Amino acid sequence: QVHLQESGPGLVKPSGTLSLTCAVSGGSISSDNWWTWVRQTPGKGLEWLGEIHHSGSTNYNPSLKSRVTISVDKSKNQFSLKVSSVTAADTAVYYCARAVETALGSDCWGQGTLVTVSS
Amino acid sequence: DIQMTQSPSSVSASVGDTVTITCRASQGISSWLAWYQQRPGKAPKLLISAASSLQSGVPSRFSGSGSGTDFTLTISSLQPEDFATYYCQQANSFPLTFGQGTKLEIK
Repeated sequence: QVHLQESGPGLVKPSGTLSLTCAVSGGSISSDNWWTWVRQTPGKGLEWLGEIHHSGSTNYNPSLKSRVTISVDKSKNQFSLKVSSVTAADTAVYYCARAVETALGSDCWGQGTLVTVSS
Repeated sequence: DIQMTQSPSSVSASVGDTVTITCRASQGISSWLAWYQQRPGKAPKLLISAASSLQSGVPSRFSGSGSGTDFTLTISSLQPEDFATYYCQQANSFPLTFGQGTKLEIK
């Protein structure tokens, strides 16, 4: 049973970089899955940010593509999210998730972590 | 981006009722649609993938149908634990997009 756990600062200053990590347990990040980041705000609802395969292949949401980077660390069995030049609009609950195949949706989710952008 | 529109935005029902939630895509997405349930303070839970394929462990009172642009999630014989918010998500093309959610409340 794969378990995902997000971690990272809960407060980020405007214009800074939001950095989160998702630790994968109960399975290998090198398995044939897509590792995903989704965020949720009261105003915009659920927003898919992007995904990565252990091979390094990525897909990003064009609305944030220039600011978002997703990476994999096989040695630590985890993947990460960075969002640069953050504003208050990036305040959200951030979830990491797994999709066996992108087209089939995400079947395993972390509990989510609230990140607030504020000075 | 493909826009996903759910209706209704909220619905009130009683235990034992049957409820249907609709999701419409702004363009055809074949059958690449997922349904999620989210309880307050929790992560979304995948119920149905590929429009009608029930995830392992999900009760059979949940069912999904549709293809192209119009999809439905039906919950029969509502149980107390079913009162939550439901989201559809298209997985046909990037970026993946979600509906705005349907809140199922107890009448």
